[in-house]
Amino acid sequence: DAKTTQPNSMESNEEEPVHLPCNHSTISGTDYIHWYRQLPSQGPEYVIHGLTSNVNNRMASLAIAEDRKSSTLILHRATLRDAAVYYCILRGGGADGLTFGKGTHLIIQP
Amino acid sequence: GAVVSQHPSRVICKSGTSVKIECRSLDFQATTMFWYRQFPKQSLMLMATSNEGSKATYEQGVEKDKFLINHASLTLSTLTVTSAHPEDSSFYICSAKPPTGLGEKLFFGSGTQLSVL
Repeated sequence: DAKTTQPNSMESNEEEPVHLPCNHSTISGTDYIHWYRQLPSQGPEYVIHGLTSNVNNRMASLAIAEDRKSSTLILHRATLRDAAVYYCILRGGGADGLTFGKGTHLIIQP
Repeated sequence: GAVVSQHPSRVICKSGTSVKIECRSLDFQATTMFWYRQFPKQSLMLMATSNEGSKATYEQGVEKDKFLINHASLTLSTLTVTSAHPEDSSFYICSAKPPTGLGEKLFFGSGTQLSVL
C-alpha cells in the first residue's frame, strides 16, 4: 500500500475550523483517499473519502490537491467531540483491509 | 447508517483459557470482514481477512492456530483467542466490507478490550 504522512498531533480551539494535512506522494491512479477517526476506546469511524474531486459531507470536507499527492481534511467548526486520532489512508479498489498509520492526534481546547 | 456490532465490549479471562469475540454486520451482508489488534497508544494492525465460507487469510506474524477465525455466515465472523496469555491483552476490532462499489468505506465494530490475567 502507498504510504501516507501526517503530523503526529495538532491542536485547535473549539468552534474554529481545523485543517488536517496528509501527504501521499506515491499514490496510484486507482487509490481512493480515505479518512477515518478513532475516539478513545472505540473502533474507527468513517469520515470521508474521495478520488480526485473535493468532497463534502455532514461531517467534514476533503480537499484533494490537483496532483493528488496531498489532501486536507477540513472540520469546519470543531467541537470537543471531534477530539480523536484522524487517519488518512489510501485504498485501492480491491478487497483488502485498511492499513493504518499513526494518524494525527487532534486536541480541541475549550 | 450501516452498523457493525461487536461483542463483548470488554472481557477479562485467566491465562490459558479461550475467548470468543463476535462481529456482526446488522444491515448488510459482508462477504469480507477484517480483524485488527491495537495495543495502547499504537495504531491498528491488521491481523486477518475473513471471507465467508472459506479460510481466513492471516497477516505475516499472526498465528492462525492461536487466533481462530470463523466466518460461517454473511453477517457473522468470530475471532477466538485460544490459550490466551497476558501478552494477548489488547483491543481487538472487527471491520466489515459492504458488498458493492470500489474504494468503498468500511464499517467498524466498537472493539473488544481483552485483559488476560
